Amino acid sequence: QQQVRQSSQSLTVWEGETAILNCSYENSAFDYFPWYQQFPGEGPALLIAIRSVSDKKEDGRFTIFFNKREKNLSLHIKDSQPGDSATYFCAAMNTNTGKLTFGDGTVLTVKP
Amino acid sequence: GGIITQTPKFLIGQEGQKLTLKCQQNFNHDTMYWYRQDSGKGLRLIYYSITENDLQKGDLSEGYDASREKKSSFSLTVTSAQKNEMAVFLCASSKGGEDTQYFGPGTRLLVL
Repeated sequence: QQQVRQSSQSLTVWEGETAILNCSYENSAFDYFPWYQQFPGEGPALLIAIRSVSDKKEDGRFTIFFNKREKNLSLHIKDSQPGDSATYFCAAMNTNTGKLTFGDGTVLTVKP
Repeated sequence: GGIITQTPKFLIGQEGQKLTLKCQQNFNHDTMYWYRQDSGKGLRLIYYSITENDLQKGDLSEGYDASREKKSSFSLTVTSAQKNEMAVFLCASSKGGEDTQYFGPGTRLLVL
């Protein structure tokens, strides 16, 4: 059973729209949730992260909404730009183990 | 700031061959990781090391060996390359297990 699941393999939005990427997880011991952004030919880079004690984390155009009871979270990218086109990975960690578990990724395309 | 360097960038091998991938980081981080990324999939942890000469198995360690020769370097060996195998191997490092992981650009493996 996949521990971290991203509901869409791909998502296309128009420039200026809000892109919403969804993620759910199985293990209630997970307490740290980073989102990574990956461009073709590069390694993933940390975009934004949230700890399970919070329900929202905002950083510029990027916001994570976290629902501990439902074991899901979403990444909102406001005012999407073509330069945001990339693969986004939701990940989860039990900070007692220090091991990250990744979802399969969502490929976001922002059309101009 | 710092950087993670992975060599080689591309690696073409023959079935049954033993292949070694290298990773160097200048963050002065304690923990280093090797992940495998298959097309359209998330990252799966192969090995990690929390300090020099330490080695811990991840979820996908079978068929691989690793070595943390010194704090700044971590190498991965594919013990017997499988025909038609194609994947990207990503190296990462972090200050500690709970901290942000920084990724290298990856080594792309193709086995003929």
